[in-house]
Amino acid sequence: GAVVSQHPSWVICKSGTSVKIECRSLDFQATTMFWYRQFPKQSLMLMATSNEGSKATYEQGVEKDKFLINHASLTLSTLTVTSAHPEDSSFYICSAPGRMTSGSTDTQYFGPGTRLTVL
Amino acid sequence: QKEVEQNSGPLSVPEGAIASLNCTYSDRGSQSFFWYRQYSGKSPELIMSIYSNGDKEDGRFTAQLNKASQYVSLLIRDSQPSDSATYLCAVTTSGGFKTIFGAGTRLFVKA
Repeated sequence: GAVVSQHPSWVICKSGTSVKIECRSLDFQATTMFWYRQFPKQSLMLMATSNEGSKATYEQGVEKDKFLINHASLTLSTLTVTSAHPEDSSFYICSAPGRMTSGSTDTQYFGPGTRLTVL
Repeated sequence: QKEVEQNSGPLSVPEGAIASLNCTYSDRGSQSFFWYRQYSGKSPELIMSIYSNGDKEDGRFTAQLNKASQYVSLLIRDSQPSDSATYLCAVTTSGGFKTIFGAGTRLFVKA
């Protein structure tokens, strides 16, 4: 099936610094990618929709100036957490819609996630 | 009302039993429904997808969809300890664009 990678898999940073997370679709093109955040024992919360060649669409309550998204190519989207604080510590997961091999409907293929710890 | 609701559990079943996981959703126009399995500290992995009313079987897994009741379920037959995980119900919105996840049900299969 389709493969989505994320880098780094984990990162520890000091409060106030910025962290960039990359999401790549390895064997398919993705004009759209999604960024989720997951706190411990909670579900995935959609943060934003990344659109290749245009601005990202942010969900209500997500600060677009804090979580910068750039979708520069059909295989790469980046999420930059600017001026990170301890409350931003979370598991960040990206996904990209791809066509299922067994059918004709798109499904979401998830990256392995990036665990961010802000000290 | 949450868009996708699941019982958080934990649901505990003995090895070999049937585990039944349930999910309701609020967007009546939703067309695509998914069950994902997530192990602790890992990303979700797709278990089943279902798009039309009725049952869909894949190995030990059966997904059931009832659009009139806005209800989707997952049955796991012959449960194994390795099935112990959090199961996330996901629904694609009526625009066919965004996927919304439930909070997940934690399943424990006791050996």
